[in-house]
Amino acid sequence: AQSVTQLGSHVSVSEGALVLLRCNYSSSVPPYLFWYVQYPNQGLQLLLKYTSAATLVKGINGFEAEFKKSETSFHLTKPSAHMSDAAEYFCAVSDKSSYKLIFGSGTRLLVRP
Amino acid sequence: DVKVTQSSRYLVKRTGEKVFLECVQDMDHENMFWYRQDPGLGLRLIYFSYDVKMKEKGDIPEGYSVSREKKERFSLILESASTNQTSMYLCASSSLAGAQSTQYFGPGTRLLVL
Repeated sequence: AQSVTQLGSHVSVSEGALVLLRCNYSSSVPPYLFWYVQYPNQGLQLLLKYTSAATLVKGINGFEAEFKKSETSFHLTKPSAHMSDAAEYFCAVSDKSSYKLIFGSGTRLLVRP
Repeated sequence: DVKVTQSSRYLVKRTGEKVFLECVQDMDHENMFWYRQDPGLGLRLIYFSYDVKMKEKGDIPEGYSVSREKKERFSLILESASTNQTSMYLCASSSLAGAQSTQYFGPGTRLLVL
């Protein structure tokens, strides 16, 4: 069965610092991969997704993620954190034969002034 | 813009009550989903529907049922609410474009069962 592991339930960075949120998946074949963001008291919003085109995927708000098959990883990065990036981030994987998404447990990003 | 709306942002119910959570999407999407979100567990799929009157169990369907009589509306029903169903419930929809199709989420309903 597919699964997703997000390392670190909380990540704290200073404003202007690099953001790195980690995501590893388990799958026998390369799946589709997604990063969603959830701002306080809101639903989830898609940041970016990997669908087997370019391995470096650019998303909204300056975020990007790189698919690394050898490491089964899809880490999310942003060069410079902004206060408005404070939110919870979810990595998700989809089996190509299904519409279902399997979500990681989430990482809450805190941005210090 | 895709819009997914949920009937209530907050609900307080008593143990044993029948609870209806409603979700409506305005993008003519074929697929609709109900998830529950709990701290440290991420989102877990309760049920999904790929067409009117069609449904499929997700990972945690016990204690829940669903109804999809119209394409735009997907209802989650708690037949007899219990305290362990206190949670945030999120509805989502997606088009029939395959597994890579983006799911669009509603704002969520925070349910408290006393």
